[in-house]
Amino acid sequence: KAGVTQTPRYLIKTRGQQVTLSCSPISGHRSVSWYQQTPGQGLQFLFEYFSETQRNKGNFPGRFSGRQFSNSRSEMNVSTLELGDSALYLCASSLDRSTDTQYFGPGTRLTVL
Amino acid sequence: AQKITQTQPGMFVQEKEAVTLDCTYDTSDPSYGLFWYKQPSSGEMIFLIYQGSYDQQNATEGRYSLNFQKARKSANLVISASQLGDSAMYFCAMSGPFTGGGNKLTFGTGTQLKVEL
Repeated sequence: KAGVTQTPRYLIKTRGQQVTLSCSPISGHRSVSWYQQTPGQGLQFLFEYFSETQRNKGNFPGRFSGRQFSNSRSEMNVSTLELGDSALYLCASSLDRSTDTQYFGPGTRLTVL
Repeated sequence: AQKITQTQPGMFVQEKEAVTLDCTYDTSDPSYGLFWYKQPSSGEMIFLIYQGSYDQQNATEGRYSLNFQKARKSANLVISASQLGDSAMYFCAMSGPFTGGGNKLTFGTGTQLKVEL
């Protein structure tokens, strides 16, 4: 079974721009979660989508948004990029229950100049 | 609020020896899951092992075992017979709370493990 895939793997943007990251979950997984990893803040939960609905949300500004499609693929969007948005963005998928293990993709490394 | 504490920023172990990575947690939720992930320098988070809060026995997965002490709120990872490829960052994580549904992980700050010859 193919793992979680994320595109693109690397991205360089400038302040003020917006960016869209994509995540394809493991086949059959209906829940997709997004995390931000930075050296200063560590790993922080952004949001989770299940059956095209946002089921859970972390403590991030409204510039961070996401969506999930009917095939469970998910995208996250960051508008008006700031230097502090430079991070590794990790996507994870799981079956459906809250206790199910999350399996992570390779991440998208975003650099904001 | 849930919290995961990993007090060892870095650890060294010799090849073929066992090593224990510490993790303590705090939650008021009676139902939760505890996970360990490995993150090599490439960045991908690799799932290692899972322990449910109601599981009576400690979880084991090959060379990995989880020493779960519920009363002490600890969930230490034990790696037996360390290999050079075990050198990586290790994260302890907790899932929950489950009220309202949702699958969210809270992570610790990680332990950087270096396996030496």
